[in-house]
Amino acid sequence: EPEVTQTPSHQVTQMGQEVILRCVPISNHLYFYWYRQILGQKVEFLVSFYNNEISEKSEIFDDQFSVERPDGSNFTLKIRSTKLEDSAMYFCASIGDRSSLYANEKLFFGSGTQLSVL
Amino acid sequence: EDQVTQSPEALRLQEGESSSLNCSYTVSGLRGLFWYRQDPGKGPEFLFTLYSAGEEKEKERLKATLTKKESFLHITAPKPEDSATYLCAVRDTGGFKTIFGAGTRLFVKA
Repeated sequence: EPEVTQTPSHQVTQMGQEVILRCVPISNHLYFYWYRQILGQKVEFLVSFYNNEISEKSEIFDDQFSVERPDGSNFTLKIRSTKLEDSAMYFCASIGDRSSLYANEKLFFGSGTQLSVL
Repeated sequence: EDQVTQSPEALRLQEGESSSLNCSYTVSGLRGLFWYRQDPGKGPEFLFTLYSAGEEKEKERLKATLTKKESFLHITAPKPEDSATYLCAVRDTGGFKTIFGAGTRLFVKA
C-alpha cells in the first residue's frame, strides 16, 4: 500500500533555531495536512493545504509556522524560531482527490517526526 | 466549536474479555466520524468511517456504531495484539480539518 514518508524521524534543535520538517505525501493525493501530538496529549490539527495554498489553519499555526510544497512531491513545515513548547511529534497526512475528501475517505498518516527543542 | 470526548482514558482487559469504548461528539453538521488506531511512536492508522446515525461497520474483532451524539467501538474477544490507543475523530460539513479526541489506551493481557 502507498505510504506517506516523513524525514527526519527525530530532530533535536536549540530554542530559537529554525527547523524544517519534510514529508512526501502519496503521489496522487491533493490535500495535505500537518498535525502535532505533544507527549501524552491528543493529535492536534495545525494546517491543511490544497492547490498550493492554505485552506484552513488552527490557532496553533501562528506566524512562526509556514508550509510549502516546493515541488511536485515534497510538503514541508517550517518553524522559524522554535520554542520549548514546540517539542512534539509532528505528523504529515494526505487525502486523495476532492471526491475522496467529501466522501470522508481516510487520512493517510506518516510515521512522524519527533521534534525536541532544548 | 467541534469537540470530541473519549472514555475511558484507559481500559485494561483480559484476553477474550469483550468491552466497548465511547466517543461523544459535538459538531455543527457531521460529515463523518472516524476511528483510528495508534501504536506507540506511530501515526494513526484508519479503521472506520461512519456517516449517519444507525450505521455500523465491522472489521475482525472490532465493530463501530454511531448515534446522533455518540459512537461506540465494540471489541469482541480481544487479543494482546489489539493493545493500542484508539482515536475517535470528526469532520464537519464543509471543513477541511479532522478533529481528534484524546483517545482510549487499551491494554489486553494474555
